[in-house]
Amino acid sequence: DTGVSQDPRHKITKRGQNVTFRCDPISEHNRLYWYRQTLGQGPEFLTYFQNEAQLEKSRLLSDRFSAERPKGSFSTLEIQRTEQGDSAMYLCASSPRDRGLSYEQYFGPGTRLTVT
Amino acid sequence: AQSVSQHNHHVILSEAASLELGCNYSYGGTVNLFWYVQYPGQHLQLLLKYFSGDPLVKGIKGFEAEFIKSKFSFNLRKPSVQWSDTAEYFCAVNPWFSGGYNKLIFGAGTRLAVHP
Repeated sequence: DTGVSQDPRHKITKRGQNVTFRCDPISEHNRLYWYRQTLGQGPEFLTYFQNEAQLEKSRLLSDRFSAERPKGSFSTLEIQRTEQGDSAMYLCASSPRDRGLSYEQYFGPGTRLTVT
Repeated sequence: AQSVSQHNHHVILSEAASLELGCNYSYGGTVNLFWYVQYPGQHLQLLLKYFSGDPLVKGIKGFEAEFIKSKFSFNLRKPSVQWSDTAEYFCAVNPWFSGGYNKLIFGAGTRLAVHP
């Protein structure tokens, strides 16, 4: 399967702990996105990478959140000092190199975070 | 506030019934439009997309959508649903302003249940 993969698929943590999620995009996709989805809502944009550069961050991404894509391949999303409000599904998506301005995004299965 | 609205949160249909799911957005200017589907236990998958040209677009599994620019709408249709269409459907907009072409803005989703 050459789709977007995410690890872990589920994470349960206690409030105040740090967590880190990993996303492996489709090979050769240079664009990578993180979204967060809570129950009953659609995904909300968090941040965007083009290669290793983080080009856009949502106001949803507080100082406790940090994302990296060190070599322009996989990406990590870290949440420090987790809070119960961080409980959500964290989705990663990737899209291919420029073909006009038609950015079609391919989503991974997500990491479900539960903060107790 | 700029947003994407899906009018129906839950839809219940019998097999062979026709389907129309509404989607309206409030962004001015050029947009790319998408419908994504999430089958139970699976990740988000692209159903169809509109970038330019013919405002009636056809997607996979017999779905189609019509872009009506004057109404800021992109409604999803299928003439005859099947039990296997049971899923959650998300409308998404990719606005071009201010470099916003990098992210998708999702509606809250519509849960469709098709009864045999």
